[in-house]
Amino acid sequence: TQLLEQSPQFLSIQEGENLTVYCNSSSVFSSLQWYRQEPGEGPVLLVTVVTGGEVKKLKRLTFQFGDARKDSSLHITAAQPGDTGLYLCAGENLAGNNRKLIWGLGTSLAVNP
Amino acid sequence: DAGVTQSPTHLIKTRGQHVTLRCSPISGHKSVSWYQQVLGQGPQFIFQYYEKEERGRGNFPDRFSARQFPNYSSELNVNALLLGDSALYLCASSLAGTRNQPQHFGDGTRLSIL
Repeated sequence: TQLLEQSPQFLSIQEGENLTVYCNSSSVFSSLQWYRQEPGEGPVLLVTVVTGGEVKKLKRLTFQFGDARKDSSLHITAAQPGDTGLYLCAGENLAGNNRKLIWGLGTSLAVNP
Repeated sequence: DAGVTQSPTHLIKTRGQHVTLRCSPISGHKSVSWYQQVLGQGPQFIFQYYEKEERGRGNFPDRFSARQFPNYSSELNVNALLLGDSALYLCASSLAGTRNQPQHFGDGTRLSIL
């Protein structure tokens, strides 16, 4: 069974601090997606990383896909209260004909003003 | 353009009843996936449909079923509801059932079982 482990599970920081969220697996994924979800809403796609070692930046957010395509990280610089939410990573299965995303449990981030 | 729309937004049922949840994908998207999200956890995959055919099924009992219509909208049916079925049910659409397609999620249907 493929599993994606996200850490930390919960994170509470002050505005202006930096943070990193990790998404790890023993399995190889063809791609990995990061989502942000606010309470009562569906997850919103932030980025998709496809190539091993790939780094993508989205304003203050930096996403990295591990060289072996088994892990990924999300780094937020100078966090703001608007960054508060549940951050989910989802890896796409490499093998097989059925496309399925394997989801992490999420990292719940609270940025305090 | 409208995003993925789900209905109803909230639903209250009692144990043993059945429920039908509906999803309309983004225009042009042919693939629809259903997820169950328990509070505080990530979504768990239930089904994927593409061109009206089931393409994937998660580890859910046979009480859960789904179908996709010619207009690519989809229904999720759950029979003999249990208390543990209380969750947010998310629908996501993508252009195709192929790999590396980002999924666009709806806001979900909040199902509460009493």
